[in-house]
Amino acid sequence: AQTVTQSQPEMSVQEAETVTLSCTYDTSESDYYLFWYKQPPSRQMILVIRQEAYKQQNATENRFSVNFQKAAKSFSLKISDSQLGDAAMYFCAYRSAPNSGYALNFGKGTSLLVTP
Amino acid sequence: SAVISQKPSRDICQRGTSLTIQCQVDSQVTMMFWYRQQPGQSLTLIATANQGSEATYESGFVIDKFPISRPNLTFSTLTVSNMSPEDSSIYLCSVEEYQGRYEQYFGPGTRLTVT
Repeated sequence: AQTVTQSQPEMSVQEAETVTLSCTYDTSESDYYLFWYKQPPSRQMILVIRQEAYKQQNATENRFSVNFQKAAKSFSLKISDSQLGDAAMYFCAYRSAPNSGYALNFGKGTSLLVTP
Repeated sequence: SAVISQKPSRDICQRGTSLTIQCQVDSQVTMMFWYRQQPGQSLTLIATANQGSEATYESGFVIDKFPISRPNLTFSTLTVSNMSPEDSSIYLCSVEEYQGRYEQYFGPGTRLTVT
């Protein structure tokens, strides 16, 4: 079974600064997807960014980017120009393969605090 | 992306009772998932609900405790039976949608407190 590890229970960043959230995973599969989800106090899970394992290029979505190191099984999220609205729980998640029917396997989450 | 609603959004229930949580999607989806998020914890998969077949439960979750219905491609229910305080959690419905690749979207969750 795949495991996802987020070693930072809490992180803090000042507004407009950059912060990196860490995630490592364990798998024997060669084809998989990795995700970062954001869960604000409203509880709604919001997809932030995804990375296909077969792609060497790191995914970016506006202020959010990832550093995907497949050999090291590392998948960190970088948030640039942090905003107060970025404050939330961030979950790293793993999904097997591109086919239908695979659920997400989540890490324990990192609580991000953004200070003015 | 699919728009997902859940009812109720929150409830407080007495131990020994049951609660049925509804999940409604605005489009037809084949796969639906139910997750549990205990206080301060991550999401744990309860079961996968494929329309037209019995739900598939993860280790540690049983049908008698968490019966699931999936009567059509836009709706599912999860029942939490014979509740105890340990069942106090957020229960999230999720759907899989194909948009060139399979994406998973989440409902707003149901916050359950058992007293």
